[in-house]
Amino acid sequence: AQSVTQPDIHITVSEGASLELRCNYSYGATPYLFWYVQSPGQGLQLLLKYFSGDTLVQGIKGFEAEFKRSQSSFNLRKPSVHWSDAAEYFCAVAGTDSWGKLQFGAGTQVVVTP
Amino acid sequence: DTAVSQTPKYLVTQMGNDKSIKCEQNLGHDTMYWYKQDSKKFLKIMFSYNNKELIINETVPNRFSPKSPDKAHLNLHINSLELGDSAVYFCASSKLWETQYFGPGTRLLVL
Repeated sequence: AQSVTQPDIHITVSEGASLELRCNYSYGATPYLFWYVQSPGQGLQLLLKYFSGDTLVQGIKGFEAEFKRSQSSFNLRKPSVHWSDAAEYFCAVAGTDSWGKLQFGAGTQVVVTP
Repeated sequence: DTAVSQTPKYLVTQMGNDKSIKCEQNLGHDTMYWYKQDSKKFLKIMFSYNNKELIINETVPNRFSPKSPDKAHLNLHINSLELGDSAVYFCASSKLWETQYFGPGTRLLVL
């Protein structure tokens, strides 16, 4: 069975600073990996995904993530954070044989200060 | 156009009542899901349907009964509501087992 760990529950970052959110997964093979964002009171929006191929994935809103098989990680980055990036971020993994069953991490809350 | 929609958006009800949440997707997807997000924002899958057939049925009380009348709809009926059922319920859809697109959520409060 797959599992996901997001080590940081809460991150505070200044507007304009860079942001990196950590995600580690456990799965026997290469899983499907996702980052979703949830703004307060909203649903989940897909930021980016990794299925195969290039390990550096570009997403929406200027986000990117890098898949590192050796570290079982899929960290999310943004070079310069905007106030509108304040939200909850979820890493998720689906096994290739799991019938689409997404396993979510506990989430990381990002607070952006002026 | 809303890709995945849910009704109602908010649901406040008394313990012991029966309620339903409806989900519709206009993406032409063949797989739909229900997730529950608890008060700590932890998301967990409940059910999944593919072409109206139940594929995933997690450890969910049998008071929860999903129903898929067609590929575009997946409803969730909850009997004898309990305080612990208070949560946000998200519907999602995907093409086969690929990227899932989520609805806006239904915030259920059981009093």
